[in-house]
Formats: sequence, C-alpha cells, structure tokens
Amino acid sequence: AQSVTQPDIHITVSEGASLELRCNYSYGATPYLFWYVQSPGQGLQLLLKYFSGDTLVQGIKGFEAEFKRSQSSFNLRKPSVHWSDAAEYFCAVGAEGSSYKLIFGSGTRLLVRP
Amino acid sequence: GAVVSQHPSRVICKSGTSVKIECRSLDFQATTMFWYRQFPKQSLMLMATSNEGSKATYEQGVEKDKFLINHASLTLSTLTVTSAHPEDSSFYICSARDRGQNLAFFGQGTRLTVV
Repeated sequence: AQSVTQPDIHITVSEGASLELRCNYSYGATPYLFWYVQSPGQGLQLLLKYFSGDTLVQGIKGFEAEFKRSQSSFNLRKPSVHWSDAAEYFCAVGAEGSSYKLIFGSGTRLLVRP
Repeated sequence: GAVVSQHPSRVICKSGTSVKIECRSLDFQATTMFWYRQFPKQSLMLMATSNEGSKATYEQGVEKDKFLINHASLTLSTLTVTSAHPEDSSFYICSARDRGQNLAFFGQGTRLTVV
C-alpha cells in the first residue's frame, strides 16, 4: 500500500537558519508529490509539487524540494527561515497514481526561535 | 483561480443531531471532490470520494450511513454527519479536482464540535 513517512514530528530552528523537512514515500511508479503548509485551525496551502521533469522544484515563499527516486524521498528545504514559517507541514503523494486524490504524511510541526 | 469554499468554518451541535458541511468550487467545475478528516495534531485521512451524479466511494472503515455525501451539482458537494456524537468532533476538509489543472484544491476546513 502507498504511504508517506515524515520522520520528524517537531523541528525547531532559529530564525534565519536553514531548514530541511524530510519526507519518504512508498510507490512503485513515479509518484505525484506535494508539500502543503497548514497554520493552526486553517486549511491547506500548496507550497510546491512534483509531477515530472526537473527533480528540483521551486515553490512559493522561498521553499524548494528535491525528488530523489533512489532514496524515495522528497525533502523540503528553505535557506533562511522566517518566524512566519512556523506551522505544520504535510508531505503528500497522489494515491493510485492520481494527482488529486492524496495520501498525507503525519506532518512536521515547525517551531521558529527568535 | 481555483478557489474552494467550505461552509461553515465552525459548528457546534448537540449529540444526536445532524450537521451539514458544504464544499463549493467557486470558479471551476468539479466532477470529483474529496472529504478528509483531521484529528487534533494528526494528519489528514481520506474519508470518501464524491462523484457528481453518482454515489460516493468510501474508504475502508468509514461508515457511509454516518457520513452522508451528496454531490448534486458540478460545484457543490455536501457532507452530512448524522446522529453526531462527541467522537465525531474533528476538523473536516474538502478538496475539489480541477480537471484543467489536474489538481485538487482545498477548502479552509470545518471545525465540528459535538457536545
């Protein structure tokens, strides 16, 4: 069965420091991959997605992610974190090869130290 | 573009009553919508796939008689939580598939509290 693993429940970084959130997936073929951000009590905002092509994907708010097939990973990165980036981050994979029916990871809560 | 509106954003209801949540695609037609449930500090779990003009497809373990889904038009799907109990309290989020972009866009979610 397809699954998404986000091994870090919480991550704390200092403002201005770099960030990497980990995501591993299980799927036999090339997956559709997504990163979403959720502020408390809010819906989901799409940060970026990977469908095909260049494995380094640029997103909104200065985020990027790299698809590594050999490692079944799609880690999210940001070179310099802002206090407003504190939120919950979800990695997701398209279920059954779709790009719109999603399976989510358990999420990583990002805390930003002043 | 590709805006999905979910209503209400918050609702409190008494045990035993039913509550309806609406999911609308505002600027595109959505033949397929999805309903997810999110428990506090947990991830989103897919509950069901809502198809316009046909019956919804429920994920394993989701009670179809408890969570009634109706997708009567190309822009509206509704989720009705019937005979609600406190354990149904949760955050419910819908998404709608935009075929033009082959993506699903999410609503802002509904916080349901059953007292």
